[in-house]
Order: sequence, then C-alpha cells, then structure tokens
Amino acid sequence: AQSVTQLDSQVPVFEEAPVELRCNYSSSVSVYLFWYVQYPNQGLQLLLKYLSGSTLVESINGFEAEFNKSQTSFHLRKPSVHISDTAEYFCAVGLQGAQKLVFGQGTRLTINP
Amino acid sequence: DVKVTQSSRYLVKRTGEKVFLECVQDMDHENMFWYRQDPGLGLRLIYFSYDVKMKEKGDIPEGYSVSREKKERFSLILESASTNQTSMYLCASSLLGPNKAFFGQGTRLTVV
Repeated sequence: AQSVTQLDSQVPVFEEAPVELRCNYSSSVSVYLFWYVQYPNQGLQLLLKYLSGSTLVESINGFEAEFNKSQTSFHLRKPSVHISDTAEYFCAVGLQGAQKLVFGQGTRLTINP
Repeated sequence: DVKVTQSSRYLVKRTGEKVFLECVQDMDHENMFWYRQDPGLGLRLIYFSYDVKMKEKGDIPEGYSVSREKKERFSLILESASTNQTSMYLCASSLLGPNKAFFGQGTRLTVV
C-alpha cells in the first residue's frame, strides 16, 4: 500500500524568505502526486499536480514542486513567501488505475512579518 | 462554479446517537470520498465510492458506513457515535482517473 510522509508538521519562516515543504512517498507502482492547500477556516484546494511529463510543475501563485523518482519525493518550494501563504499544506498520492488519494499528515506554514 | 456542499458546518451529538453527514456535489463526478481530518494525522480516508451504490473501504472504516443512492449524494453514517469520532469530516468528489478532487467546507462533529 502507498503512504505519504510530510517530514515537518510546522514550518515558520519570515516574509519574503524561501521555503521548502518536504514530501516523501512509498509505492511499488507508478503514482500521481498532488499538493493541496487549506487556508484558515476553508476547505482544501488543489495547488498543483504531477501526472506525467516534465518533473517540475508550477502553480499560478509562485509555488513549484519537483517529482524525484529515485528519491521518491515531491517537495514543494517557493522562492519568496507572502503573509497570504499562511496555510496548511497537504501532499497526496494517487495510484495509477486506482481512484483514491492518500494524504500526508500536513505541514502548517506560518509566515512571520 | 463547481460545488461540494456538506449539510452542516458544526454538529454536536451525544454518545450512542446515530449520525448522518450528508454531502452533495453538482459536477456529475463519479468519485466521492469521506475523510476525517485530525491534528497531526492529516486526512485519513474513511470510505469512497466510484459509482452509484458502489463503495469501498478506506483506511479507517470501523464505526462508519456510507450510502450512495444517487450520483450526486454521498452520506456518511455513524451507527453509534463515540467520543473518539469527534473530528473534522471532509467530503470530496472527482472525475474518474487522476483528476483533482474538489472538497467541501467540512463538518466539525463533536460527540459528547
């Protein structure tokens, strides 16, 4: 069975600093990878996804993630964060041919002015 | 705008009560999911359904059941609520395949 590990439960950073949120997965078959974001008091929204092709995927608000098959990782990065990026971020894995998504434990990103 | 609607944002129930959490989507999606979200544990899948009247157990189905009589509606049932089922419950839907899931706002259930 597949699993997802988000290595940091909380990440505090200063505004305009770079950030990396780590995600590792385990699976014996090909996977699809997702990052979801949950802003305070809201539901989850898709941030970006990797299905196939280029291993670097980007979102419209400056985040990017790189699929690394050899390290089974899909870390999320942003070169300069804003106060509005304060949220909880979830990494998720889906298996080819299966319908369900498995989520990680979540990383709470806190931006300090 | 696409929408997944959960019937209640907040719910307080007593131990032993039968509890129904309702979820409706307006996107004609095949897949529907129920997760519970707990601090430090992320989202854990309770049940999912890929078609009407079809259901599959997720990672933590014990103490729960589901019903999908119509494509747009997916109900989560707690047969006899217990305090360890106090949690945030999230419903989601998606098209078949590796498609993005759309989430509802969540129902915060407290069992006293």
